[in-house]
Amino acid sequence: EADIYQTPRYLVIGTGKKITLECSQTMGHDKMYWYQQDPGMELHLIHYSYGVNSTEKGDLSSESTVSRIRTEHFPLTLESARPSHTSQYLCASSERTGDTYEQYFGPGTRLTVT
Amino acid sequence: KNQVEQSPQSLIILEGKNCTLQCNYTVSPFSNLRWYKQDTGRGPVSLTIMTFSENTKSNGRYTATLDADTKQSSLHITASQLSDSASYICVVSDRGSTLGRLYFGRGTQLTVWP
Repeated sequence: EADIYQTPRYLVIGTGKKITLECSQTMGHDKMYWYQQDPGMELHLIHYSYGVNSTEKGDLSSESTVSRIRTEHFPLTLESARPSHTSQYLCASSERTGDTYEQYFGPGTRLTVT
Repeated sequence: KNQVEQSPQSLIILEGKNCTLQCNYTVSPFSNLRWYKQDTGRGPVSLTIMTFSENTKSNGRYTATLDADTKQSSLHITASQLSDSASYICVVSDRGSTLGRLYFGRGTQLTVWP
């Protein structure tokens, strides 16, 4: 089991609220990622980070923002939640092993916006 | 366009039986292919990872094969158990970026019945 944690695991919130999804890892990995996954669909990369003070947008456009002030912490923020943001959000971190990067996933946050 | 296609979309088998899941990809340049197991409401967990030069890899009752020429992979599960019920996701990484970008299939939902 990888040492990557996400909180909360489940969140039900009303439209217009600001929310922050927490992600932390204790493995000292530089690279971290946020994915969005709808039921029965593939994971889509929405944000990634190469290290402290580095953040980039992923393949899927997202209204969320991220920050990376500490190596172990990569929170995702939605300033004003909408029903279209309802989804599962997965955080991951990776380390290089040989010629590949092994990604470790957190348990996910199931977000429902009413 | 880099894509990963999986079949079947869902599969039901009886406990103790074997099954094989398929994955076709068009990701180029190819770096490696992974199979992940994702339990409902959890993050994906890596089962196997294969590079270009590997054509088979086992992890307990799970055996993955890779044909890099035809760009196909399979995951064979032997003597299935109830705990094998999960989504199995094929993930391909390209060699073109330092990020280790991953391309995800939609998964095969496996249900094992007693």
